[in-house]
Amino acid sequence: DTGVSQNPRHKITKRGQNVTFRCDPISEHNRLYWYRQTLGQGPEFLTYFQNEAQLEKSRLLSDRFSAERPKGSFSTLEIQRTEQGDSAMYLCASSSGLGLALVGTDTQYFGPGTRLTVL
Amino acid sequence: LAKTTQPISMDSYEGQEVNITCSHNNIATNDYITWYQQFPSQGPRFIIQGYKTKVTNEVASLFIPADRKSSTLSLPRVSLSDTAVYYCLVGPSYSSASKIIFGSGTRLSIRP
Repeated sequence: DTGVSQNPRHKITKRGQNVTFRCDPISEHNRLYWYRQTLGQGPEFLTYFQNEAQLEKSRLLSDRFSAERPKGSFSTLEIQRTEQGDSAMYLCASSSGLGLALVGTDTQYFGPGTRLTVL
Repeated sequence: LAKTTQPISMDSYEGQEVNITCSHNNIATNDYITWYQQFPSQGPRFIIQGYKTKVTNEVASLFIPADRKSSTLSLPRVSLSDTAVYYCLVGPSYSSASKIIFGSGTRLSIRP
């Protein structure tokens, strides 16, 4: 068990550019979450996968954000036409929840995050 | 959805017991209480989870009174490495993932 990994750890981009982040969850974990965290705040839910199916997206998630989890393994989060307000830490977490239940009691294992800076 | 209130910050000294209280006055019957710890530049880490009374693991204890309107995370004999932000989450076991709300947390600073 090597834990959740995220790449890159840091990304600096110019406004208007597209960026893509990758998350490799703990192997065998069927649930994968993406969060965004800004300075001084707790993580804010973005989206959630159960295996390869994207089951939930935050209403705050603009159309410029898209996430995939092909084959239920790693996941990517893409932000198109980045804006300065997208600057944040993007966190990925995985868990071994069963079925659709128990999301609220999942023990989530977080990666180190990708820090995005949009200039 | 149960809203939580935690102190913004707390200070303590090495070797002391630290208690962080979280208020959740409108907690629902099927809500669980979960605490996470986060160090700078790292993702949160699960500490403990409970429903009622007392739960203890190798890291911390969680005290939940009978009315469940609050909970207290207890860290025994803290060290400098316990300096972190601590988040209290309240949510039902059968829940939408979007209802997992971390809030702003409690910033705990431990001094020598």
